[in-house]
Amino acid sequence: QVQLVESGGGLVKPGGSLRLSCVGSGFVFNDYHMGWIRQAPGKGLEWLSYISYSAGTIYYADSVKGRFTISRDNTRKSVYLQMNSLRVDDTAIYYCATQDKPNPPHHWGQGTQVTVSS
Amino acid sequence: SALTQPPSASGSPGQSVTISCTGTNSDIGGYNFVSWYQQYPGKAPKVMIYEVDKRPSGVPDRFSGSKAGYTASLTVSGLQPDDEAEYYCSSYAGSNTYLFGTGTTVTVL
Repeated sequence: QVQLVESGGGLVKPGGSLRLSCVGSGFVFNDYHMGWIRQAPGKGLEWLSYISYSAGTIYYADSVKGRFTISRDNTRKSVYLQMNSLRVDDTAIYYCATQDKPNPPHHWGQGTQVTVSS
Repeated sequence: SALTQPPSASGSPGQSVTISCTGTNSDIGGYNFVSWYQQYPGKAPKVMIYEVDKRPSGVPDRFSGSKAGYTASLTVSGLQPDDEAEYYCSSYAGSNTYLFGTGTTVTVL
């Protein structure tokens, strides 16, 4: 079955950078569009970004546009989220998910914790 | 901004509970791309309904979805103890963006 495993989270200072990774298995990765979503502590879900199967189409939420970059490497069955200029309010669990646009995210990974604090 | 859900809902085992998800004509009202998720504490969300009323394989038919105007609904029939969880809706909102609901805590009494 579809499995997604995120990694790369951690503690970073405000203004710093992190690169999250998500590896897929149990499905033909390069047939699937992918997305990133986050959940701040005790809060709801926020969609962040989408990348098509070929990386030819990319979208971002306004809250991260210009600071976050989504990419993928189909040979490694991986999707990435490069996060720059991190702020305290970026603290959240970050999930990757399959996303068959225009449907919302479908299969989710277990998430990786990102904490932005001085 | 987020789609509006009631903070909580509850029912006794065997009963039904319905959760609403209210948006606008620019999201729920404009598209049939509404999903519902179940999330246990400390776990990842799991899709229970997609495209308003479709169930992924493996999801019990006790879970059903519907939409009227700009309000979507999730009904859980025959409540069971392990239905106790947080539930979120999500909708395509046009312009290649997506919204999630505020979340509803379902309690099985």
